[in-house]
Amino acid sequence: GAGVSQSPRYKVTKRGQDVALRCDPISGHVSLYWYRQALGQGPEFLTYFNYEAQQDKSGLPNDRFSAERPEGSISTLTIQRTEQRDSAMYRCASSLEGEYNSPLHFGNGTRLTVT
Amino acid sequence: GESVGLHLPTLSVQEGDNSIINCAYSNSASDYFIWYKQESGKGPQFIIDIRSNMDKRQGQRVTVLLNKTVKHLSLQIAATQPGDSAVYFCAERGSASGGSYIPTFGRGTSLIVHP
Repeated sequence: GAGVSQSPRYKVTKRGQDVALRCDPISGHVSLYWYRQALGQGPEFLTYFNYEAQQDKSGLPNDRFSAERPEGSISTLTIQRTEQRDSAMYRCASSLEGEYNSPLHFGNGTRLTVT
Repeated sequence: GESVGLHLPTLSVQEGDNSIINCAYSNSASDYFIWYKQESGKGPQFIIDIRSNMDKRQGQRVTVLLNKTVKHLSLQIAATQPGDSAVYFCAERGSASGGSYIPTFGRGTSLIVHP
């Protein structure tokens, strides 16, 4: 079946612009996570949702970052007034059950470059 | 393509050998552990998981061992193949009784299989 889909695959933007990254999770998955991954590092948590409710946003670096999942399926991670330090691979993952033991399934990510 | 093998601990093996990748986790309250494989240009892919009430779990050519006393996790790959070359991450997760629901990833180990 279809896995987690992220778009765009690559995004190049100028400093100061806003960007929106999209994640389409596996159908029926309750939980959706956003991570950021630097080269040579493991994924670093940003935020997660159970259904449409944002459960934890403690990993968001600052208030320029926000995320939503209004209908409990597709999610958007928005970065306002982008800065060069925001350049990274942004990864979305979904899992079947929110608070029980089920593995995360990752998409292939969006590579964001801020020039 | 993207490289995630920079500045990572590296394990080099010959094709056909058995590989052992180790991971030290940080939170004694964690009760669910997952191994992921990440190939260049792709998102982390689920391999195998284990709950804290177990000390060993086997999959196809892979075995995960958990030692809660010393907070150590290992992934054993039998008869390693060139297609196993990737970066491997362990992740830990807590439960309602302690730790964090957020899967937290370790540093990663780059496995290189020589034909």
